[in-house]
Amino acid sequence: DTAVSQTPKYLVTQMGNDKSIKCEQNLGHDTMYWYKQDSKKFLKIMFSYNNKELIINETVPNRFSPKSPDKAHLNLHINSLELGDSAVYFCASSQGGGIRYEQYFGPGTRLTVT
Amino acid sequence: SQQGEEDPQALSIQEGENATMNCSYKTSINNLQWYRQNSGRGLVHLILIRSNEREKHSGRLRVTLDTSKKSSSLLITASRAADTASYFCATASAGRRALTFGSGTRLQVQP
Repeated sequence: DTAVSQTPKYLVTQMGNDKSIKCEQNLGHDTMYWYKQDSKKFLKIMFSYNNKELIINETVPNRFSPKSPDKAHLNLHINSLELGDSAVYFCASSQGGGIRYEQYFGPGTRLTVT
Repeated sequence: SQQGEEDPQALSIQEGENATMNCSYKTSINNLQWYRQNSGRGLVHLILIRSNEREKHSGRLRVTLDTSKKSSSLLITASRAADTASYFCATASAGRRALTFGSGTRLQVQP
């Protein structure tokens, strides 16, 4: 059983397009995250939702908009894609607000903007 | 800002040898976590050590934490080719709701 799943795994698109990445967790966790991993493998938090409420919104361009329809889902919509958005995006989940406990990561979505 | 800094950035050893990776951080922490990332995959949690703990073991893994030096080390004993991966430390600090990850150590275990 997949604990944290993301779709799609690969996404190739042109500059200016709008795209979405979906994430689902079946662990019963109350907190979900989006991370961006750049080409140097540096992992940076973008957003976090706790019980469908946005609790972390790092300095991310407002072209990125997360949406959490319920506790088990956290989707990421990106408008007007730019070359610099190319990266691997990871969804993760945890219980109890996050930092006190381990996080469970999805397999990642490799976004390539051409 | 980047909190955790792993050292070395890359490490190549022979199967059976021990691998040691270090992590330094800047601010006081609630806990420190180590994760493994295989190529093309998501991160997998390995071990969590709280600020009041000094050492923790899990199988072939041994983690130490020295809060006075703001550093941690991950030791993998009797390494295997399957241990080849990137290893990240992540810190949880009071006042922040997110983990802060370092840039990782890339470990290559030669069979």
